[in-house]
Amino acid sequence: GENVEQHPSTLSVQEGDSAVIKCTYSDSASNYFPWYKQELGKRPQLIIDIRSNVGEKKDQRIAVTLNKTAKHFSLHITETQPEDSAVYFCAVVHTGNQFYFGTGTSLTVIP
Amino acid sequence: DTAVSQTPKYLVTQMGNDKSIKCEQNLGHDTMYWYKQDSKKFLKIMFSYNNKELIINETVPNRFSPKSPDKAHLNLHINSLELGDSAVYFCASGTGGLGDGYTFGSGTRLTVV
Repeated sequence: GENVEQHPSTLSVQEGDSAVIKCTYSDSASNYFPWYKQELGKRPQLIIDIRSNVGEKKDQRIAVTLNKTAKHFSLHITETQPEDSAVYFCAVVHTGNQFYFGTGTSLTVIP
Repeated sequence: DTAVSQTPKYLVTQMGNDKSIKCEQNLGHDTMYWYKQDSKKFLKIMFSYNNKELIINETVPNRFSPKSPDKAHLNLHINSLELGDSAVYFCASGTGGLGDGYTFGSGTRLTVV
């Protein structure tokens, strides 16, 4: 199966700073990479995703970059706000839609 | 209208009991899943059903059994509950196609005492 590593496990940033979370994977056949945000006591929700034929995707303050050769992808959040505080999960997907989740990053944005 | 709904939201029960968690989706998705999220927040897949066929079973004890009466429902039955079963259980659904994200249910917090 796929081995997904996510770092860091916890991250604290000052409001307005940037936050970066990185995931690495092992199977070069993986070709879809979504990111989920889980607020305290709530369900994980998809915030951004990227496919293997794209190197970068941006949606307002969040962006995802993918390096297929190195088998890693990263979530970038700029101008962080307190409401960005949550647990973020990366996922790696093979054909057949088997999702493998990272271990999560607890992000705290300090006002 | 909630896309993926789970009941109950909270479940407290004694060791040894048998319990069920229900999940329904109104998105017309073909694939439904059960995930277990432990106290460390790890999301671990338990089962996947595609058109009522089990396609993933990730070394889950056979005390756990998924039941899918139709493609809109995937219920989770747990027999002889143990303390280690305490966790949040999430149902999710997806189209089964590449590039489509999951939609998660709101979760069921199971506490075994």
